[in-house]
Amino acid sequence: AQSVTQLDSQVPVFEEAPVELRCNYSSSVSVYLFWYVQYPNQGLQLLLKYLSGSTLVESINGFEAEFNKSQTSFHLRKPSVHISDTAEYFCAVSGLKNAGNMLTFGGGTRLMVKP
Amino acid sequence: KAGVTQTPRYLIKTRGQQVTLSCSPISGHRSVSWYQQTPGQGLQFLFEYFSETQRNKGNFPGRFSGRQFSNSRSEMNVSTLELGDSALYLCASSLTGTPNEQYFGPGTRLTVT
Repeated sequence: AQSVTQLDSQVPVFEEAPVELRCNYSSSVSVYLFWYVQYPNQGLQLLLKYLSGSTLVESINGFEAEFNKSQTSFHLRKPSVHISDTAEYFCAVSGLKNAGNMLTFGGGTRLMVKP
Repeated sequence: KAGVTQTPRYLIKTRGQQVTLSCSPISGHRSVSWYQQTPGQGLQFLFEYFSETQRNKGNFPGRFSGRQFSNSRSEMNVSTLELGDSALYLCASSLTGTPNEQYFGPGTRLTVT
């Protein structure tokens, strides 16, 4: 079984400032890791994923996350945020040996970008 | 390519009734998963169907059930609705296998009164 903890429920930040959204997981098996974003009244959109290989993964809109196996973390970062990044962000894991598609999500972090 | 569609988008039901929600996956996707999202419990996995067979099941009571048709469209049913079933129900589709990049629909918001 897996569990995911997102350490901050809300993160307020000014526009153009850097931000880090923290995610720690617990699992008895190796995992795949994901970050999803949810805008108001919408479903979830995949932001980025770690499956294997390089521990630093990047998205097309400037976000990056680093897989740290020793600290069981997968923190999300962006060097300069925009107003349009205001949304809720979810970290999720899936067990490597799971057959099929079953994601365990963290509680979410609401990113609030202020002008 | 069209995304995942869910119908209806909004639904109001009375306690004790039953409800059926529908999900049409992205063309070619054979896996459909369902999640419940509530302010208190967050996002929780309900079940996954692949090729008309339930492949995984979350920790929900038997009142929650689902099925998948030969065209990969899926339905979930909740019987004997309770107030606590009020939630956003999200459907996600994926190609076969693992790793699993899932594409989510906009959800059905169910309100139980």
